[in-house]
Amino acid sequence: DGGITQSPKYLFRKEGQNVTLSCEQNLNHDAMYWYRQDPGQGLRLIYYSQIVNDFQKGDIAEGYSVSREKKESFPLTVTSAQKNPTAFYLCASSIAGRGMNTEAFFGQGTRLTVV
Amino acid sequence: GDSVTQMEGPVTLSEEAFLTINCTYTATGYPSLFWYVQYPGEGLQLLLKATKADDKGSNKGFEATYRKETTSFHLEKGSVQVSDSAVYFCALSYMNTGFQKLVFGTGTRLLVSP
Repeated sequence: DGGITQSPKYLFRKEGQNVTLSCEQNLNHDAMYWYRQDPGQGLRLIYYSQIVNDFQKGDIAEGYSVSREKKESFPLTVTSAQKNPTAFYLCASSIAGRGMNTEAFFGQGTRLTVV
Repeated sequence: GDSVTQMEGPVTLSEEAFLTINCTYTATGYPSLFWYVQYPGEGLQLLLKATKADDKGSNKGFEATYRKETTSFHLEKGSVQVSDSAVYFCALSYMNTGFQKLVFGTGTRLLVSP
């Protein structure tokens, strides 16, 4: 079945460590997105990528980094510079390319906790 | 910039009650509009969508109509079930310099009691 796979589902990080969240899709989508969700709040955009080897900062990119070396993969690294990383992270993808305006499909999320 | 505003929750209903969750948007162009649903501990699932004015999206008894004149996309269901308890997000999608941008509302929690 086609879909988006995020791993791990739960992740614990010590203060000062970098961690990488995985996001893989087999939907042949061009666009991929990372969102952060805090309790009782909506989704805030961290980074997005419309094509391979290109990505753009979203609204809250500080303390995060991404790469897009393959169409299927868009990993997110939470660096030690992110002061409050505990949150639920959601990866999404859409078929959108230039001129296309379609829905996004979401993974099941990764819950990151700093211990 | 483009934005989405939806009613704050929680919305608390008894089973078989009528549901309305309000959503309004601001947009400079012609966005597509969506409703997503999120169950506890999970990602978002697309519930329904509408891509142009006067379109009605529907799925699993839920409906929403794209009203350009009132810039609204209210979610309705005639008879809710306990299993509909979840958080509902209104969203829009628009093109920015040739690329797609997604904007989400803050979500509305629905609690349905037996």
